[in-house]
Amino acid sequence: DTGVSQDPRHKITKRGQNVTFRCDPISEHNRLYWYRQTLGQGPEFLTYFQNEAQLEKSRLLSDRFSAERPKGSFSTLEIQRTEQGDSAMYLCASSLTSPTGANVLTFGAGSRLTVL
Amino acid sequence: DAKTTQPTSMDCAEGRAANLPCNHSTISGNEYVYWYRQIHSQGPQYIIHGLKNNETNEMASLIITEDRKSSTLILPHATLRDTAVYYCIVRVASYAGNNRKLIWGLGTSLAVNP
Repeated sequence: DTGVSQDPRHKITKRGQNVTFRCDPISEHNRLYWYRQTLGQGPEFLTYFQNEAQLEKSRLLSDRFSAERPKGSFSTLEIQRTEQGDSAMYLCASSLTSPTGANVLTFGAGSRLTVL
Repeated sequence: DAKTTQPTSMDCAEGRAANLPCNHSTISGNEYVYWYRQIHSQGPQYIIHGLKNNETNEMASLIITEDRKSSTLILPHATLRDTAVYYCIVRVASYAGNNRKLIWGLGTSLAVNP
């Protein structure tokens, strides 16, 4: 397994445009997460999927943001009508249900978004 | 989830042990302590986690005090490649359903010097 893959790694767009990021998790992982990270800050939770069900969304996820995981495998995060404040690193992570209740995440390298 | 407190930055000489402290004085009995690190411009990387007992793996050791109110991550022989931001996170154990997010602070920026 090659780990968690994210695409694209870098995206530069103009304000008002739509962008979509893709995440391919580790194949046997049933949980998938999206986080956002700005410079000098820790990652901020955006949303979480268990299989194809989106079980939790942060209040940070405005109505311009939408995430899907249609078949419980890869996921997409779309940002509509981008704003300069959306500039950040978007991180995807995946994990597997553990009988101990521990939750160990494997992160991808991230997709860096710059909105001009 | 319990809040954690970490020093903003630390330095360590290459080849020496790096001891990174974390305070989690409000931790509850069913909360795990997790450590991740993030090397510049990369995604976070899992290091180790523990509940009550000390833990060791190929990357590090985790020492949790008996009252569980603090812990220390130990990198036994730090190298230049260990220069990164280290995050200590506490999170309740859960087995099903929602509320699985990890809450991240600012971490400790560790500089390993030659």
